[in-house]
Amino acid sequence: DTAVSQTPKYLVTQMGNDKSIKCEQNLGHDTMYWYKQDSKKFLKIMFSYNNKELIINETVPNRFSPKSPDKAHLNLHINSLELGDSAVYFCASSQGIVWGNEQFFGPGTRLTVL
Amino acid sequence: TQLLEQSPQFLSIQEGENLTVYCNSSSVFSSLQWYRQEPGEGPVLLVTVVTGGEVKKLKRLTFQFGDARKDSSLHITAAQPGDTGLYLCAGYSNYQLIWGAGTKLIIKP
Repeated sequence: DTAVSQTPKYLVTQMGNDKSIKCEQNLGHDTMYWYKQDSKKFLKIMFSYNNKELIINETVPNRFSPKSPDKAHLNLHINSLELGDSAVYFCASSQGIVWGNEQFFGPGTRLTVL
Repeated sequence: TQLLEQSPQFLSIQEGENLTVYCNSSSVFSSLQWYRQEPGEGPVLLVTVVTGGEVKKLKRLTFQFGDARKDSSLHITAAQPGDTGLYLCAGYSNYQLIWGAGTKLIIKP
């Protein structure tokens, strides 16, 4: 019944490694997002996809690459992980990009880079 | 750069007290949302306000959108321990949500 799911919940890895986080939504939404929440709890948009097309690409290092194989999935691949990448990453979805739409969030993936 | 400033950053009060938290900006937003986030979970929408001056109530929570659509407030009456959480405001502009840094609220029994 989970609306927006992410895997894994926790990810601990060494600097320099490559890792992926997967996200799936079963709400039939057209728009999906990736957010980064730092230790001060500030939520920052990274990417947004609408109908599998990239519509928001904030100032994020090229090491981060989103992939949307279909409307229900938006995965995040991170190359050459750095200490500063440690954070909680949230996937979210909404019915569209119209203002006022509710965003539904996944449970988050806590990434720790050692 | 559009910013949403939330105040206070942290608030710890006794059960039964009233409180107000604020969300302020120098920019105008199409709409403004309030979310609550509990530890280990993602934010969950509480309310969306659209019209300047709009007031919405959700049980003991009262949300107000400023007349100029630049600010908002959340008032909680008779706070309960279940209200504990991180309260985030977010304003819509150019097809994306601009987020405040949140107010961490703790209600002590």
